[in-house]
Amino acid sequence: SQTIHQWPATLVQPVGSPLSLECTVEGTSNPNLYWYRQAAGRGLQLLFYSVGIGQISSEVPQNLSASRPQDRQFILSSKKLLLSDSGFYLCAWSDGGTGGATQYFGPGTRLLVL
Amino acid sequence: DAKTTQPNSMESNEEEPVHLPCNHSTISGTDYIHWYRQLPSQGPEYVIHGLTSNVNNRMASLAIAEDRKSSTLILHRATLRDAAVYYCILDYNTDKLIFGTGTRLQVFP
Repeated sequence: SQTIHQWPATLVQPVGSPLSLECTVEGTSNPNLYWYRQAAGRGLQLLFYSVGIGQISSEVPQNLSASRPQDRQFILSSKKLLLSDSGFYLCAWSDGGTGGATQYFGPGTRLLVL
Repeated sequence: DAKTTQPNSMESNEEEPVHLPCNHSTISGTDYIHWYRQLPSQGPEYVIHGLTSNVNNRMASLAIAEDRKSSTLILHRATLRDAAVYYCILDYNTDKLIFGTGTRLQVFP
């Protein structure tokens, strides 16, 4: 069966520090991968998605970047964190296809920037 | 982009059926209707999806209006564990889901 892992589970970082969040998927190959952010009390915002190694699409301009160095690994990074980067970061995968594909979410990382 | 409209919150008693409505009047012919839910402090989980016909699975039923401009998620017997935010989402045939603010469902014992 497929599983999705995210780490760390929680993170407290000072403003201006770098960030690296990792997401890995097991039990599937060539998944579509997604990074979402959920600010406190808000809905989910799609940040990045990837349909293959090295292929990243950014949905919103921001202080973050994403990379996919391996088929089942997705990394969210920042060189200098802002207060507004605080939130709940969720990674998800799907088996692709056009329409109707189910997305499966990881447990998330809670990031607090102070 | 086609958008969805959901009530901000709904309440139910345990063991009763719950009907969660969603309006999507600008839906296009190829848009799938997805429902996800998010329990407190967790990532969203898939509930059900459909295109034109009503759908049933072990978690819920999805009733889609004939003109496809609205749909209803039906939980047949609500339990306390069903308390969550429920999102109705249209898939624009791109495998990208755009989440709105959803409906917060409260279930009372």
